[in-house]
Amino acid sequence: EDQVTQSPEALRLQEGESSSLNCSYTVSGLRGLFWYRQDPGKGPEFLFTLYSAGEEKEKERLKATLTKKESFLHITAPKPEDSATYLCAVRSATDPLNYGGSQGNLIFGKGTKLSVKP
Amino acid sequence: GAGVSQSPSNKVTEKGKDVELRCDPISGHTALYWYRQSLGQGLEFLIYFQGNSAPDKSGLPSDRFSAERTGGSVSTLTIQRTQQEDSAVYLCASSFPTSGGSSYNEQFFGPGTRLTVL
Repeated sequence: EDQVTQSPEALRLQEGESSSLNCSYTVSGLRGLFWYRQDPGKGPEFLFTLYSAGEEKEKERLKATLTKKESFLHITAPKPEDSATYLCAVRSATDPLNYGGSQGNLIFGKGTKLSVKP
Repeated sequence: GAGVSQSPSNKVTEKGKDVELRCDPISGHTALYWYRQSLGQGLEFLIYFQGNSAPDKSGLPSDRFSAERTGGSVSTLTIQRTQQEDSAVYLCASSFPTSGGSSYNEQFFGPGTRLTVL
């Protein structure tokens, strides 16, 4: 069964204190690992897609990396505005329907709630 | 509009009543997804539409849940005879197709509809 586990559930950092969030996954054939940010009362906001082990992507203070079993979201010198819940999701190769283009649903972890204090 | 829109933003209903939730995807996006987010849980896939093909209904929790997509654009999620356990945030997402089908596009989410069943 495809599964995504995120840790820790919650993380409190001081402004400027770098850290990493973990996303471990079990999937029958990875067709993309996605990171989203979700602010309270809002829908998830897309951050990154990673497709293969060794791939890395960066955006401002965030850097996402991928191995065959997990992904890390590294936050360098975070600011209070980085406070949010960070969601990890995977798309499996086991698609029930054979469409061209975008295929199938995402399987989400429960998220890591990040709080950055000034 | 530029993003995915959903209405209503909040819905309070009594147990046993039917509700309809609406989603307007981003123009040009042929794939549309419904997810449910319950307190303390990850996003749970409900249903997926791709163009004019038959939808993937594999995530619907019971036959009280149904969805349709008219004209390949707007979608309505209907919950009949609502129960208290249906209380959650219902999120809609859309994505556009890739060329060649070799990569998988990110999904863009709406703000969600918060459903409360009393």
